[in-house]
Amino acid sequence: EVHLVESGGGLVQPGGSLRLSCAASGFTFSNFEMNWVRQAPGKGLEWVSYISTGGLNIYYADSVKGRFTISRDNAKNSLYLHLNSLRAEDTAIYYCARQPFDYWGQGTLVTVSS
Amino acid sequence: QAVLTQPSSLSASPGASASLTCTLRSGINVGSYRIFWFHQKPGSPPLYLLSYKSDSDKQQGSGVPSRFSGSKDASANAGILLISGLQSEDEADYYCAIWHNSGWVFGGGTKLTVL
Repeated sequence: EVHLVESGGGLVQPGGSLRLSCAASGFTFSNFEMNWVRQAPGKGLEWVSYISTGGLNIYYADSVKGRFTISRDNAKNSLYLHLNSLRAEDTAIYYCARQPFDYWGQGTLVTVSS
Repeated sequence: QAVLTQPSSLSASPGASASLTCTLRSGINVGSYRIFWFHQKPGSPPLYLLSYKSDSDKQQGSGVPSRFSGSKDASANAGILLISGLQSEDEADYYCAIWHNSGWVFGGGTKLTVL
């Protein structure tokens, strides 16, 4: 059974940093492109970043470009998102999702507040 | 103008059918895109329903009932999610998405109320 489990969220001050992780199991992780998607409280879904199977192709939403970095470790079946220069508007539940979004994790909450 | 526009809300009766639309911005041709559909219930992550590009190129999510189906309205430049035989458990937020210009774009979502 496919499982995606995010971790690493929490409360951070504006300008701070976090590293989110997504542990994958139940499928051959290295064969699938992966994404991070976020959802601010009471709002809709916002795509954040994409990474190809080998990590060579990476894309970001304009709202996070230059501040967030996506990466993966296929040997560890893990996906990561480094969040830097955090702003209040980055407050959201962050989901990892296997492309084509057929499986999602439960999400991890990031709260940016002083 | 947003890339994908969805009505904010829709109401329908149990047993009826509901047609949820996802309109692409002018200049973006719906015929060229695969439209993905998800629903989300409060406190839960989104669930993949299906994707639709054409009648010969579509995919149903694992375990998703056949009463959920996709189509397109080329004249309206829109993707459509049709839910037939509405049930109370279909009440949820519904989102569409496309891959556009090296990124995924989600619509703003439609809150479907079944009453």
